[in-house]
Amino acid sequence: EAGVAQSPRYKIIEKRQSVAFWCNPISGHATLYWYQQILGQGPKLLIQFQNNGVVDDSQLPKDRFSAERLKGVDSTLKIQPAKLEDSAVYLCASSRNPGGGGNTIYFGEGSWLTVV
Amino acid sequence: KQEVTQIPAALSVPEGENLVLNCSFTDSAIYNLQWFRQDPGKGLTSLLLIQSSQREQTSGRLNASLDKSSGRSTLYIAASQPGDSATYLCAVPVSGGSNYKLTFGKGTLLTVNP
Repeated sequence: EAGVAQSPRYKIIEKRQSVAFWCNPISGHATLYWYQQILGQGPKLLIQFQNNGVVDDSQLPKDRFSAERLKGVDSTLKIQPAKLEDSAVYLCASSRNPGGGGNTIYFGEGSWLTVV
Repeated sequence: KQEVTQIPAALSVPEGENLVLNCSFTDSAIYNLQWFRQDPGKGLTSLLLIQSSQREQTSGRLNASLDKSSGRSTLYIAASQPGDSATYLCAVPVSGGSNYKLTFGKGTLLTVNP
């Protein structure tokens, strides 16, 4: 079974520029998550999709971050304009179903963003 | 608000030692607890998921325990190897239903020296 795919793996941009990250979840996984992990911290959820609908985006800085999952499969996370504090790893994850239960979440290898 | 704390922040041991990583959480009303491993420059790999009704879960040399009432979980690694060197994170969901938001600790950086 193929894992969660993310691209690009690494990106360096200047502040105020824009960047977009792409994620392809595991086939058949209805739920997709974007997490932000700042160096030395645990990941923080930015947005959760159930199919193509948003379940939780309460921690997404909506003035500069946007995300979409138009066909309920792939997703794109965009940052515009970027700030220095956006330097982090952006992790995409997916799970078959949402909810507590036996829900194992599978993570991609992350997209590493450096804003200079 | 759920808070997850991991102790120690870093741990260095010689190869072959048995070791314990600790995780504590403030809200004991959890559905499950998950332990992850993160290698440098990589994403997270799920190691063990313990349901709220379980006391422990085992996978190979790893054993995770859960004590909901005290808000604690431990990850026991037997006969550690250099390949076990990584950051270990624990995470608990904030709530169930369709909103499955994991709250992570900051992790324990483990170094196993040959």
